[in-house]
Amino acid sequence: DGGITQSPKYLFRKEGQNVTLSCEQNLNHDAMYWYRQDPGQGLRLIYYSQIVNDFQKGDIAEGYSVSREKKESFPLTVTSAQKNPTAFYLCASSRGSQETQYFGPGTRLLVL
Amino acid sequence: AQSVTQLDSHVSVSEGTPVLLRCNYSSSYSPSLFWYVQHPNKGLQLLLKYTSAATLVKGINGFEAEFKKSETSFHLTKPSAHMSDAAEYFCVVTAAGSGTYKYIFGTGTRLKVLA
Repeated sequence: DGGITQSPKYLFRKEGQNVTLSCEQNLNHDAMYWYRQDPGQGLRLIYYSQIVNDFQKGDIAEGYSVSREKKESFPLTVTSAQKNPTAFYLCASSRGSQETQYFGPGTRLLVL
Repeated sequence: AQSVTQLDSHVSVSEGTPVLLRCNYSSSYSPSLFWYVQHPNKGLQLLLKYTSAATLVKGINGFEAEFKKSETSFHLTKPSAHMSDAAEYFCVVTAAGSGTYKYIFGTGTRLKVLA
C-alpha cells in the first residue's frame, strides 16, 4: 500500500530532552512537510522540503530541526529549545511543491 | 496575502439532514481551495479540491463544494448527514503563481451528528 507513515503514535518528552519524530512515504513524492496542530487552531507549518538535501523554515521553525537525506524520509527533531512542545504533529507530502498534499496519521507529543 | 475564515467553529445536525460548513477566503491570486476532514487522533483526509475548473466540485462520501468568486466563498455541503461524518473539517486556501505555494488553514469546524 502506498502512503505516509509516522512513528511513534505517542511520544513522551522529558524536560531538556531532544526527541525525533519519524515520517516516511512510499508515494515517490518530492515535497514533504511538517505541521503542528494545537486545539482550536488550524495547522501551522514548521518546515518543508521540496527536494532531497534541501529544506526551508515555515512559520514556526524555532525549536525544531529537520533533515532530508533520502527522498522518502523527513524526520523532525523537537529540541529542548522548544518550550511548549505538547501538540499533535502531522507530516504531509506532495508530488511537487504545487500539488495536493497528503497527510500521515500524526504523532502526539506529550511532556512528562 | 491569502487567508481563510471558517465561519462556524461547531455545527450540529441531525442524522439524515443537510450539512453546510461555511468557508470564506481571501486571495490576491487565482486560488486553489481544499476541504480536508480529520477524525479524532487521525491525519487529514482530502475531501475535495477546486483548481479553477468546474465551480461545483464533487468529493468523496457525498460531499460537494461550490466556488463562488463574487462571494469569495467555498462552502461544503452534503444532502444527508451520516453518523460517520462526525469529525473536524478544515478549509484550505493556497495560491499558485505568487512565488510561493503554501497551504493556509482555517481554524476548523467540528461537525456533530445527532442520532
